[in-house]
Amino acid sequence: DAGVIQSPRHEVTEMGQEVTLRCKPISGHNSLFWYRQTMMRGLELLIYFNNNVPIDDSGMPEDRFSAKMPNASFSTLKIQPSEPRDSAVYFCASSSPRGSTEAFFGQGTRLTVV
Amino acid sequence: AQSVTQLGSHVSVSEGALVLLRCNYSSSVPPYLFWYVQYPNQGLQLLLKYTSAATLVKGINGFEAEFKKSETSFHLTKPSAHMSDAAEYFCAVSVKPAGRRALTFGSGTRLQVQP
Repeated sequence: DAGVIQSPRHEVTEMGQEVTLRCKPISGHNSLFWYRQTMMRGLELLIYFNNNVPIDDSGMPEDRFSAKMPNASFSTLKIQPSEPRDSAVYFCASSSPRGSTEAFFGQGTRLTVV
Repeated sequence: AQSVTQLGSHVSVSEGALVLLRCNYSSSVPPYLFWYVQYPNQGLQLLLKYTSAATLVKGINGFEAEFKKSETSFHLTKPSAHMSDAAEYFCAVSVKPAGRRALTFGSGTRLQVQP
C-alpha cells in the first residue's frame, strides 16, 4: 500500500483565499484524522471521522475550517477565508478498524498564508 | 479524558550513549500508548506501541519502552544512540470507548546526537 497520501505537499496562498487540502487514507482503514502541527501548539487534533461520519470536530478552530469525507477513500480540509495564523503543517492520518488504535500518517501539507 | 506529558523538550546525548526520553500519561481507563518519530519535513512514523500485552515493548531501530502502571509512565530508551536517531519524538495515548480512536499527543522531545 502507498500509505496515506496528502496533496499538495506545500501550499502558499494569500490571506483571504480559499485553501483545500486533500487526503487519501490507506485502503481498508475506516478512521481518518486531521491534525495541525505548529511550534506553539504542537500536534492538535482538528477532526476525526469514523466510517465517513464526523465523530469529533471540537478541535476545528472556527467556522472558517470545514472538513468532508464523501467516501472511504477521500477527505478534504477547507479553510475559507485563510488567515496568516493558519500557517502550519496539516497532517492526515488513518487507522484500521482492527487491533489497536495506531494511526498512520501522511507526509503532511505545509501551508503558508501570506 | 486522557493526556500525555513529555518531560524535556530537548535532549542531547553523545553517539553511543544511552537514550532516555520520558513520557507520563493520564487516563481514567487502561490506555494504549505509542511512540512516534518525526524526521525533518516528514510525517510521523510509529516506533512502538503498548496495547496491554507485554509491559516491555520493543520497536524499530533498537528502541524499546516499558509500561509502568504504578508510575503512569511509558519512557522510551535505546542503549546506544546513533547519529541517525536525531529527530523529534512524540508520545501518544488513546483509549477505546465506543467509537473514539483518536490519539492525544505530547508536546514532543527533540533528540540531538553529538558525534
